[in-house]
Amino acid sequence: GQQVMQIPQYQHVQEGEDFTTYCNSSTTLSNIQWYKQRPGGHPVFLIQLVKSGEVKKQKRLTFQFGEAKKNSSLHITATQTTDVGTYFCAPGPGSSNTGKLIFGQGTTLQVKP
Amino acid sequence: EAQVTQNPRYLITVTGKKLTVTCSQNMNHEYMSWYRQDPGLGLRQIYYSMNVEVTDKGDVPEGYKVSRKEKRNFPLILESPSPNQTSLYFCASSPRKGPQHFGDGTRLSIL
Repeated sequence: GQQVMQIPQYQHVQEGEDFTTYCNSSTTLSNIQWYKQRPGGHPVFLIQLVKSGEVKKQKRLTFQFGEAKKNSSLHITATQTTDVGTYFCAPGPGSSNTGKLIFGQGTTLQVKP
Repeated sequence: EAQVTQNPRYLITVTGKKLTVTCSQNMNHEYMSWYRQDPGLGLRQIYYSMNVEVTDKGDVPEGYKVSRKEKRNFPLILESPSPNQTSLYFCASSPRKGPQHFGDGTRLSIL
């Protein structure tokens, strides 16, 4: 079945350093979504990517969808303590006919002030 | 306010005692889903529903049941809970091709 892998699983950075998490799917995706979960909170939607090679920015966050639509990345420039949390990627509900979704295991980001 | 509401937020119970975790959304979303979150394993889908009266198994459905009799509600039923179902559970809803909105979570401890 489909697999979605995220690396790294954990990342500790000094405040101000950059951070990148990578998401790789075993199958081609029609779209991919990114979520952020703060400690003790619930996942919150960040963005959806649909087009091959698409790049979207949200302030210091840059999201990219691979040309083959099998991988994606999230890059944070100059991390801040507010970026702490776990970042998940997942195919969106409309990405398959079945509705079955596989989330990546997530990358937990710690930022030292 | 658009939201997904789960109840209870916390529950400690014993093995074999049937329990239901309710989930309700007020956004008229077609798609609803249940996940469990365990350390190191991320979010794993238990069951999902594409619309009223349409439900299907996710990745880890064993020991769980769901129903979707109304569009807004999607309860998760544990008929005979066991300790390995101790976990943090999230309900989510979305339009058919949109972002998922998650509830605040339910922490279940089964002794």
